[in-house]
Amino acid sequence: GENVEQHPSTLSVQEGDSAVIKCTYSDSASNYFPWYKQELGKRPQLIIDIRSNVGEKKDQRIAVTLNKTAKHFSLHITETQPEDSAVYFCAAILFGGLTFGKGTHLIIQP
Amino acid sequence: GAGVSQSPSNKVTEKGKDVELRCDPISGHTALYWYRQSLGQGLEFLIYFQGNSAPDKSGLPSDRFSAERTGGSVSTLTIQRTQQEDSAVYLCASSHTTNNEQFFGPGTRLTVL
Repeated sequence: GENVEQHPSTLSVQEGDSAVIKCTYSDSASNYFPWYKQELGKRPQLIIDIRSNVGEKKDQRIAVTLNKTAKHFSLHITETQPEDSAVYFCAAILFGGLTFGKGTHLIIQP
Repeated sequence: GAGVSQSPSNKVTEKGKDVELRCDPISGHTALYWYRQSLGQGLEFLIYFQGNSAPDKSGLPSDRFSAERTGGSVSTLTIQRTQQEDSAVYLCASSHTTNNEQFFGPGTRLTVL
């Protein structure tokens, strides 16, 4: 089955700086890669996703890149703001249920 | 429109009792998923439904766990003879079809004493 590794587990950045979270996956057939943001005590919410036929996708301050050859994908958040503080999960799927990484706790320092 | 709803929001039970958790997906979503999130941990896939059938049950931790979906809508996750290690937040999600955005419900927090 699919295995997703996510790094780092905790990331602290100064407000206004960029944050990068990286994930690798094991199943080369996986074709959909979403990123979820989860605030304390709340449900996960999709912030951006990418499919295997695309190398990069951007939505305002958030971007995701995918390298199919190396089987890794990354989340980039620019101009970080206090409201970006949360746990971020990457995931991969071929079909059916998502396989999630273990999460990155992003802390935005004022 | 209404999002994914789950009930109960909290459930406290004694070890050995059975519990039933309910999920109401977004209307029209054919795919439904169950996940488990232990305290401070990631999300663990349990089972997914496409319509009323469950093509992938590989994530169910033991035969004490079962799930069903009738009428292509509401799903129930049943845990028999609960154990303390079953304590977690059980999250349900639905999507229009597979390999599309999954919308999560608020979860059911299960505590087994």
